[in-house]
Parts: sequence; structure tokens; C-alpha cells
Amino acid sequence: EAQVTQNPRYLITVTGKKLTVTCSQNMNHEYMSWYRQDPGLGLRQIYYSMNVEVTDKGDVPEGYKVSRKEKRNFPLILESPSPNQTSLYFCASRAGGYNSPLHFGNGTRLTVT
Amino acid sequence: DQQVKQNSPSLSVQEGRISILNCDYTNSMFDYFLWYKKYPAEGPTFLISISSIKDKNEDGRFTVFLNKSAKHLSLHIVPSQPGDSAVYFCAAGISGTYKYIFGTGTRLKVLA
Repeated sequence: EAQVTQNPRYLITVTGKKLTVTCSQNMNHEYMSWYRQDPGLGLRQIYYSMNVEVTDKGDVPEGYKVSRKEKRNFPLILESPSPNQTSLYFCASRAGGYNSPLHFGNGTRLTVT
Repeated sequence: DQQVKQNSPSLSVQEGRISILNCDYTNSMFDYFLWYKKYPAEGPTFLISISSIKDKNEDGRFTVFLNKSAKHLSLHIVPSQPGDSAVYFCAAGISGTYKYIFGTGTRLKVLA
């Protein structure tokens, strides 16, 4: 089954404790992206990657890092999480064309206390 | 600056009637638009899209209309069904770029 898999689904952590949210897709998609969803703000892009070793900032990249060492994986790294990063995070992928729809994972709900 | 706006946070419609969800955008460079549906505890799923060279695209019960002069698009669901109850996001993109800008979402409730 074609899918985007995120782990964990839920995560509670404390300020400053480094964490990684994993994302993997099995569709051989070149493009992958991370979004956060907050009430009243919709989905905002954090980082995206056009292919292996090619990444770029989205609209809200501060406090986040990403890497793309393999085509299927695109982890999101929070080196020093803060409470304002409490949010619902989605990973997405799509085939090459800009007009191809995004396929989303089921989300990771992160709480930073 | 919210480039893509969904001004109605919520909408309730009777089963069998038409649901109309609206989306406005400010950037005239946007030339591709999509609608996504999101159920609780799931990721958004693609519903329907439209290119700026068209003013209408239809897929079963779902039709998207694009009014470029007004920078406005709408999603029509006819007839509405209880299973359509979800949050709907519109998104806009520009050819050759790698990102979409999403709206804030509209929560649709279809009443049985």
C-alpha cells in the first residue's frame, strides 16, 4: 500500500530535549515536505526537499532541521524544542511535477512542556 | 500575510443539500489550486484540483470553480453526505516552485 509513515504519532517532551520525528514514504517520490498545523493558521510549510541531499526552507523553518540522505526518508529534527513548537506535524510527499498532489502522513502531535 | 484565506471557519449543511466552501487568494502568480479533506486523527487527503487555464473542474459530487478576476475559488459538494463531514483546506501553488500555500481550513458538518 502506498503510504507516508510518520513516527511517533504522539510525543510529549520537555524544553531543550532534542527529538526526531521520522517520515518514510514507499512511493519513490522525489519531493518531501514537513508542515505544521496550528489552530487558525492552517498548514504551514517548515522545510521541503526536492531530492536526496537537496533541502530548502519553507515558511516557518526556525527551530527545525531536516536531512535527506535517502530518497524514502525525511526526518524532522528539533535540536532544542520550545513550547511554541507544540503543534500537529505532517510529513508529505509527491511525485516530481508541481501539480502533483501531496500525499500526507497521519500526523505527529507534539507537546513541549 | 495570509495569501490564501478561508474566511468561514465552519459550515453546517443538511444531508442531500449543496455544500459550498470558499477560498480567496491574494497572489496573482498562483496558477494551480487544490482542495484537501481532513478527518480527525488522519492526514489531509487530496480531493480535487484546478489549473488557472480552466474555470471549472468536476469529479463526481465535487466541483471546483475558479474566478481568476476575483481571485476566488469554491468547492461545491452535491449532494452532501454525512461522510463529507471533515475539515477542508484549499491550497495554491505556482508553476515551477516547490510549495503550496494552504488556507486555514473550513470545518464542514453535514447533518443527517
